[in-house]
Amino acid sequence: DQQVKQNSPSLSVQEGRISILNCDYTNSMFDYFLWYKKYPAEGPTFLISISSIKDKNEDGRFTVFLNKSAKHLSLHIVPSQPGDSAVYFCAASRGNTGKLIFGQGTTLQVKP
Amino acid sequence: DSGVTQTPKHLITATGQRVTLRCSPRSGDLSVYWYQQSLDQGLQFLIQYYNGEERAKGNILERFSAQQFPDLHSELNLSSLELGDSALYFCASSVLGQGGYEQYFGPGTRLTVT
Repeated sequence: DQQVKQNSPSLSVQEGRISILNCDYTNSMFDYFLWYKKYPAEGPTFLISISSIKDKNEDGRFTVFLNKSAKHLSLHIVPSQPGDSAVYFCAASRGNTGKLIFGQGTTLQVKP
Repeated sequence: DSGVTQTPKHLITATGQRVTLRCSPRSGDLSVYWYQQSLDQGLQFLIQYYNGEERAKGNILERFSAQQFPDLHSELNLSSLELGDSALYFCASSVLGQGGYEQYFGPGTRLTVT
């Protein structure tokens, strides 16, 4: 049972435009959500997170939106840069342990 | 550089063998998590330790075990290895052992079982 889903395996955008990566979850007990970026042969790199008590968190070019009623979150990257090309994972956790449940990832390609 | 170190970077071994993967968390982090990334399964949580004690378990096989030592480094032991155990194994650490804190990942150990 996939509790965290990223339904788009890939996304291609033009440099300077907005990239929107989406993630859906099924477990209403999740209370903390994170986005990670991963390059081949490297570990995931933490990007941004959001608590379930918020609906938006912003850090530079990265903004995460959370819609609890729809059990949906999204990551916006504005403006997109070629160096953003990587695999993006969303992850969710519950309060008691912090173990992360990951989506399958979305490969973002930003074209110059 | 996340501050989390993992050794070795690559490991090639035969079926039936036993290996040990090592992880040192970021300075000040008390919790260590182990994850497995295989081609068809994505990133899967295996086990968590907090300040030396097991905190949570995922779908970790009985052939796998882990521990966290007093200096907070952790080791993941994989025994009776099978071809299907070939994967990337990541260690992550966080300051506390509960949700609401970011986890920082090491570079991973690529295990190949032949």
